[in-house]
Amino acid sequence: EPEVTQTPSHQVTQMGQEVILRCVPISNHLYFYWYRQILGQKVEFLVSFYNNEISEKSEIFDDQFSVERPDGSNFTLKIRSTKLEDSAMYFCASSDLGRTDSTEAFFGQGTRLTVV
Amino acid sequence: RKEVEQDPGPFNVPEGATVAFNCTYSNSASQSFFWYRQDCRKEPKLLMSVYSSGNEDGRFTAQLNRASQYISLLIRDSKLSDSATYLCVVRDSSNTGKLIFGQGTTLQVKP
Repeated sequence: EPEVTQTPSHQVTQMGQEVILRCVPISNHLYFYWYRQILGQKVEFLVSFYNNEISEKSEIFDDQFSVERPDGSNFTLKIRSTKLEDSAMYFCASSDLGRTDSTEAFFGQGTRLTVV
Repeated sequence: RKEVEQDPGPFNVPEGATVAFNCTYSNSASQSFFWYRQDCRKEPKLLMSVYSSGNEDGRFTAQLNRASQYISLLIRDSKLSDSATYLCVVRDSSNTGKLIFGQGTTLQVKP
């Protein structure tokens, strides 16, 4: 079964450092997303990406965040200057919305980011 | 009002019990509805989509009431392996496919 893969599974970084979280979405999917989940809290939408540009972003996704699809397979989330409150699980997801309204979004296993 | 609201629980039930989870959503223009399951420190995984006509998948039954903006999940004959957090998820009315998650309801099935 095709799957979304994320690397690394766990990243520890010092406050103020830049981190890049990587994702390989399912190959024939066109819509890509990043979500985050702070420990003990709900999953929150960060950004959606379609046709090589951001289609929607949340209030959380401020200027320190950026996304990129540098080649045909990878989808990355960059946090420029990490803060303690960026510590969370970051999930990448992809979907093919064109099929039906109930099309499933597939999630990667997540990257646990710890900012110290 | 929260966009998607669930009772966080926890629900502690014995094996074999029937348990029901409820969820309400605030945006009447929402188009698609789902129940996802999340195990501890893992990614959300789709359990089932929810349709207005109601749908069943084995021991799981989901219902949607658009007029009341209410979604439910019924689990019959609970198994130990059903222990997890159940996430009520709504696809936003925009065309980006953004998903809005409830905070989840925790189920613990005991022997």
